[in-house]
Amino acid sequence: GAVVSQHPSWVICKSGTSVKIECRSLDFQATTMFWYRQFPKQSLMLMATSNEGSKATYEQGVEKDKFLINHASLTLSTLTVTSAHPEDSSFYICSARDRAGQGNLVWDTEAFFGQGTRLTVV
Amino acid sequence: GQQVMQIPQYQHVQEGEDFTTYCNSSTTLSNIQWYKQRPGGHPVFLIQLVKSGEVKKQKRLTFQFGEAKKNSSLHITATQTTDVGTYFCADNGGSQGNLIFGKGTKLSVKP
Repeated sequence: GAVVSQHPSWVICKSGTSVKIECRSLDFQATTMFWYRQFPKQSLMLMATSNEGSKATYEQGVEKDKFLINHASLTLSTLTVTSAHPEDSSFYICSARDRAGQGNLVWDTEAFFGQGTRLTVV
Repeated sequence: GQQVMQIPQYQHVQEGEDFTTYCNSSTTLSNIQWYKQRPGGHPVFLIQLVKSGEVKKQKRLTFQFGEAKKNSSLHITATQTTDVGTYFCADNGGSQGNLIFGKGTKLSVKP
């Protein structure tokens, strides 16, 4: 299957600093990538949809200025947590879906997830 | 908005016992996907169900899609310690092309 690579896998930063997380589709192009946040023992909460060449679409309650998303190419999306605070500590994970097709039919494949980034803000 | 309810939240079983997790939606699902997330890992796709009443098997795992396409289940026969993890169902009907995940069922297996 397709591979999505996320970096770094973990990061510890000081309160007030910014952290950038990268998500790359290694063997396919992804016009859309998704960023999730997962709290301990909880489900995946969609934060935003990253669209190549245009602005990201944020879910309700997610601060756009806090979580900056850039999708400058078909294989790379970045999430920057700006002015991080301890409450931003969490597991952030990206995903992308490839396109498949047969004849005139085109559909999205299953979601491929990055390895996730464990962010700890101290 | 769209929601997918998943129960139970946790399940502790003895190795060899069976396990089932259920997903329900108040609206008709276009199709449903199942994922497994091992502790410390990321979700990995297991299967997709598309047709009403569909049943698919993967070794000891049996996946079902309800006749009304509003519910789905994952059943594991004779659990093994390698089955531990959190199992998520996901509605493939997000408006952004995203998946809408259930809260997941965390399975622990006691040897």
